[in-house]
This record gives sequence, structure tokens and C-alpha cells, in this order.
Amino acid sequence: VQLVESGGALVQPGRSLRLSCTASGFRIADYAMGWFRQAPGRGLEWVGFIRRRTYGGTTKYAAPVRDRFIISRNDVGNVAYLQMNSLKTDDTALYYCSRTMTDNAIFAGEWWSDPWGQGTLVTVSS
Amino acid sequence: QPVLTQPPSASGTPGELVTISCSGSNSNLGSNYVFWYQQFPGTAPKLLIYQDQWRPSGVPDRFSGSRSGTSASLAISGLRSEDEAEYFCSAWDDTLNGLIFGGGTKVTAL
Repeated sequence: VQLVESGGALVQPGRSLRLSCTASGFRIADYAMGWFRQAPGRGLEWVGFIRRRTYGGTTKYAAPVRDRFIISRNDVGNVAYLQMNSLKTDDTALYYCSRTMTDNAIFAGEWWSDPWGQGTLVTVSS
Repeated sequence: QPVLTQPPSASGTPGELVTISCSGSNSNLGSNYVFWYQQFPGTAPKLLIYQDQWRPSGVPDRFSGSRSGTSASLAISGLRSEDEAEYFCSAWDDTLNGLIFGGGTKVTAL
């Protein structure tokens, strides 16, 4: 089971970027997927989740990114995405994706994320 | 400022019991599960404990978790040098309607 993030780059404030999370060893169609981030030298921060398609493929986001970031999934290609728009300097971080276990629970507070990828670095700076 | 409060550091001698606290409120730990992650420098976080007390396959049984009221704790019984890492607690917050983390606790084996 492995997750590999890609797409991180240096971008200017206000621009967009799309991150990819390519899974191997399991089918993402069977799982929710999560995105997290960690600013340099800082703690962990949740970005959002996307449910399985059998549960509507709906998404949930942290407040700081709710109106700017979009999580999507391509179950056929076994890839999850994080589309980041209107980027701010505060978005600078190492971004991780994760397989998220739900045990068919509807409430996201019962979910857990394991494993995580190695992360991809996004730097927002002019 | 993280919503969940952890001590910035904890330490113990090899073989000792080390406990890490995670303090929250009614809207998070008071009503929702706690999860614990372990992170070594330069590597991705690894799930250590889920839904308060359960260990994923492969996690040594010297790690245990518990939750009571608005607090939770992670215990490392029989500390080993390879346990030197940063540990983060996490829980859903009903008021924020999102997943929150503690600031992390760096564990040192003396």
C-alpha cells in the first residue's frame, strides 16, 4: 500500500495549483481519501476529505480552504486530486494525502487516516 | 493556536512509562474519538491509535490510548530509543465542523 503525491511547486499568491495523489496496492474506490498539510516547522492541519462514490463522493473541508480548494477523485486511474485556487502565502506547506478508513461510518469524526504519502511541497510566494 | 493542547515535550529513560496528554473541550474530546499519530523528522505521520484505543496492525502494544471527559492520553510503556519522535493527537470538533490537531509533543529517550 503506497501513496505518492506530486504537483507541488513554487507559485505566486492568487494563482492555482493541482496536486495529485497516486495510489498503489489498493483501490481508492473502496476508501475515502484525505488531504492534510504541515507548514515548515509547524504542526499538522487537516485540509479535507472526499467520500467514496458509493456514499456520493461528497467532500468536507477545513474552514481556511473551504471556498478555495476542491478535492476530487478518479477511481479508474486510482488518483485523488487537490485543486488549490486563490493561493495565499499561508498555504505554504508540505501537503500529504491519505487513505481514510470509515468502516461505513457516516460521521467523519469516526474516520482515521492510514497510511499517508510522503508529501509534496507547495510554496506560495511572490 | 491549536484547539487541542499538548505539552511541547516529554521524556523518559529507556524502559520507563511516558504519558502524553491531550486536552480539549466538550465540542471535541468531550464528544468525539481521539486519534494519535507518530512522526519522525522528515517523514510522513503514521497512525498510532484510532478511535481512542485501537492499534493498527504493526503498532507495538507498548503504545496505548485512552480518553476521559475532555482529555485524552497516549502512553508508551517501556520507552525505547526508537520511540523518539513527535506525537500528535487529533479529534473532530463539532463547533468548527472539522478535524483538529494538537500542537505535537516531542518525546526524548534520555
